[in-house]
Amino acid sequence: AQRVTQPEKLLSVFKGAPVELKCNYSYSGSPELFWYVQYSRQRLQLLLRHISRESIKGFTADLNKGETSFHLKKPFAQEEDSAMYYCALSGSGSARQLTFGSGTQLTVLP
Amino acid sequence: KAGVTQTPRYLIKTRGQQVTLSCSPISGHRSVSWYQQTPGQGLQFLFEYFSETQRNKGNFPGRFSGRQFSNSRSEMNVSTLELGDSALYLCASRVGGGTEAFFGQGTRLTVV
Repeated sequence: AQRVTQPEKLLSVFKGAPVELKCNYSYSGSPELFWYVQYSRQRLQLLLRHISRESIKGFTADLNKGETSFHLKKPFAQEEDSAMYYCALSGSGSARQLTFGSGTQLTVLP
Repeated sequence: KAGVTQTPRYLIKTRGQQVTLSCSPISGHRSVSWYQQTPGQGLQFLFEYFSETQRNKGNFPGRFSGRQFSNSRSEMNVSTLELGDSALYLCASRVGGGTEAFFGQGTRLTVV
């Protein structure tokens, strides 16, 4: 079975402060990990995926297989980063559906 | 390129009724997945269709069913509606498994 855990339901930081959204996963094989973001009144959209190793809007995420984590980080938060963030996992073989964590609501305070 | 389109956007139904939701994926995408989003449970996977075949199913009762047509459009049906079925139902399309999923705006279902 595949499982994604996001321990923080709510997270508030001040503008310019670093931010880290935690994500841990459980999967016996080699998963594909994603971060999705949902801004207010907008549809859910991909922020980044681990295989691309890109930095999107200043966000990065490193897959740590030893700790089964895929934390999302940004060194300097901006007010426009306020949104709901979901970590997601796609398995392999017959388990390729996307499984989402419960989400973290990030609020960046002025 | 048109995005994922879900219809209708809003629905109000009475307990015991049934409802059908529709999803048109991005052209060329053969995988369509459905999710239920609620404040309490977050995003829960319902099922995934690929080339007209159900490939995976989440932990939902048999009242929830779906199908996919040859043009990759998908429908989701919920029979004998319950108050707890009130949620935002999201559809996502992908080229195939393991690739990026593109989401629709969702259908907001309210059961009264």
